[in-house]
Amino acid sequence: GENVEQHPSTLSVQEGDSAVIKCTYSDSASNYFPWYKQELGKGPQLIIDIRSNVGEKKDQRIAVTLNKTAKHFSLHITETQPEDSAVYFCAASKGGSYIPTFGRGTSLIVHP
Amino acid sequence: GAGVSQSPSNKVTEKGKDVELRCDPISGHTALYWYRQSLGQGLEFLIYFQGNSAPDKSGLPSDRFSAERTGGSVSTLTIQRTQQEDSAVYLCASSLDSGGAEAFFGQGTRLTVV
Repeated sequence: GENVEQHPSTLSVQEGDSAVIKCTYSDSASNYFPWYKQELGKGPQLIIDIRSNVGEKKDQRIAVTLNKTAKHFSLHITETQPEDSAVYFCAASKGGSYIPTFGRGTSLIVHP
Repeated sequence: GAGVSQSPSNKVTEKGKDVELRCDPISGHTALYWYRQSLGQGLEFLIYFQGNSAPDKSGLPSDRFSAERTGGSVSTLTIQRTQQEDSAVYLCASSLDSGGAEAFFGQGTRLTVV
């Protein structure tokens, strides 16, 4: 089955800095890669996703890149703000009846 | 409804008792997932329902865990004879189909077994 590795487990940055979270996946058939943000006491919420037919996607301060050859994808957050502090999860799935596999999460702390 | 609703939000139970956790998915979503999140850990897949197909139970950790989805809508996760290691946040998610569709999560049920 699919295996998703996520690094780092904890990331501490100063407000205004950039943050990068990286994930690798094992199944080359995976074609959908969402990123979720989980704030304390809440369920994860989708913040951005990318499909295998594109290499990069941006939405304001966040962007995701995908390297299908290397089977890795990354989340980039620019100009970080304290409200970006949360746990971020990456996931990979193959579409159809395949269940998304999640990484173990990255705790991002943005210091004001 | 506006989103995925889970109840109760918190549950404290004594070791050995049975518990039922409820999930109301978004109307029209055919796929429903249960995940478990232990303290500081990632999302552990438990069970998946898709339309009228037989559920994928491959993630259930033991035969004390079971789930059903009635009428293709509400789902109940049952844990029998609870153990302390069952303490975790149980998350439910639903999506229009599966795989390539966005999964919407509920706020979770925090289960504490004492």
